[in-house]
Amino acid sequence: GEDVEQSLFLSVREGDSSVINCTYTDSSSTYLYWYKQEPGAGLQLLTYIFSNMDMKQDQRLTVLLNKKDKHLSLRIADTQTGDSAIYFCAEGIYNQGGKLIFGQGTELSVKP
Amino acid sequence: EAGVTQFPSHSVIEKGQTVTLRCDPISGHDNLYWYRRVMGKEIKFLLHFVKESKQDESGMPNNRFLAERTGGTYSTLKVQPAELEDSGVYFCASSPKTGRSSYNEQFFGPGTRLTVL
Repeated sequence: GEDVEQSLFLSVREGDSSVINCTYTDSSSTYLYWYKQEPGAGLQLLTYIFSNMDMKQDQRLTVLLNKKDKHLSLRIADTQTGDSAIYFCAEGIYNQGGKLIFGQGTELSVKP
Repeated sequence: EAGVTQFPSHSVIEKGQTVTLRCDPISGHDNLYWYRRVMGKEIKFLLHFVKESKQDESGMPNNRFLAERTGGTYSTLKVQPAELEDSGVYFCASSPKTGRSSYNEQFFGPGTRLTVL
């Protein structure tokens, strides 16, 4: 079945880069998403990548996809305290109504 | 434009009681999804409506959970009777009509935190 794995915690200093990693199992053509959850709020879509792409850059965010290894990463450049949140990796399964398979979430803590 | 709203934001009930969660999707969104996150674990898919029809309910834990979507607008998720393991955060999301394999951005509500004592 489908499975998405993430490390649970990451701590960085303000101004450093953060790299959050994710692995997935489904080999069908999918979209892969990164969502951000701030305390008390819902999930906010940060960025996404289609599975036939290797990289996508959007301002401070860079998504890298290694399709062979089914490994996805999110890099946040110049991390700020406002980036502290839980980051979820999610896989959209081809031809299953668009349901998302999420990882456990990585809690990013940014220290001043 | 209003986002996805959920009510209540928190609910604390005793084991054996009934609770009904409500979700109002973004107006015009055909797709409505329910997800649940239990205590620091992954967010798990529960079910998917297209308009008023259940498209996929493969994630529903058992028959104590009943979801409805009246007239293809808002949706309710009823848990009866509630058990301790039902505690968690229940998220609702909606998205516009989409094809089988196309990009599908889901817009999430803030969630309902359910605590069963």
